Amino acid sequence: AQTVTQSQPEMSVQEAETVTLSCTYDTSESDYYLFWYKQPPSRQMILVIRQEAYKQQNATENRFSVNFQKAAKSFSLKISDSQLGDAAMYFCAYGRWSFQKLVFGTGTRLLVSP
Amino acid sequence: EPEVTQTPSHQVTQMGQEVILRCVPISNHLYFYWYRQILGQKVEFLVSFYNNEISEKSEIFDDQFSVERPDGSNFTLKIRSTKLEDSAMYFCASRETGPDEQYFGPGTRLTVT
Repeated sequence: AQTVTQSQPEMSVQEAETVTLSCTYDTSESDYYLFWYKQPPSRQMILVIRQEAYKQQNATENRFSVNFQKAAKSFSLKISDSQLGDAAMYFCAYGRWSFQKLVFGTGTRLLVSP
Repeated sequence: EPEVTQTPSHQVTQMGQEVILRCVPISNHLYFYWYRQILGQKVEFLVSFYNNEISEKSEIFDDQFSVERPDGSNFTLKIRSTKLEDSAMYFCASRETGPDEQYFGPGTRLTVT
């Protein structure tokens, strides 16, 4: 069974600084997707970024980028120029190609201070 | 921008009562999901639904749970006899096709007393 591990329960960053959230996963599949979802206090799940396993290039979305290391089964999220609005829970998630479900990690709470 | 909607936003029910949580997926989406998140814990998969039938379900999704797509727009999750441990946030999600990402609704907070 696929598993997703987020080893950092909480991270802190100052505004305008950069922070990296870690995620590792375990799978025997070769085709899959990885996602980072943001969950603010409203508890809405918001997709931040996605990465297809077959793509070697790391995905980027504005201030958000990933470091995808397929051999190491590692998928970290880098947030540059952190903003107060980035404060939230961040969940790493795994989905198989034509996946039927997402498997989530336990989440990392990101605190952003002025 | 199209979005997944869920009603109600918060439901309080007594143990043993039946509840129905409602979702309206994005209109051209074909795959539908329910997840739950107990407070302070991770999001857990409950069930996926495609072509008017369940395609996968988790161990959590026992005989007390059922899903239905009663018409062309709604997707419901029914819990027949609620337990205290069913208290959680329930998220509906939908996906168009192929490798597209799942779009989540805002969730329904279920409180069982």
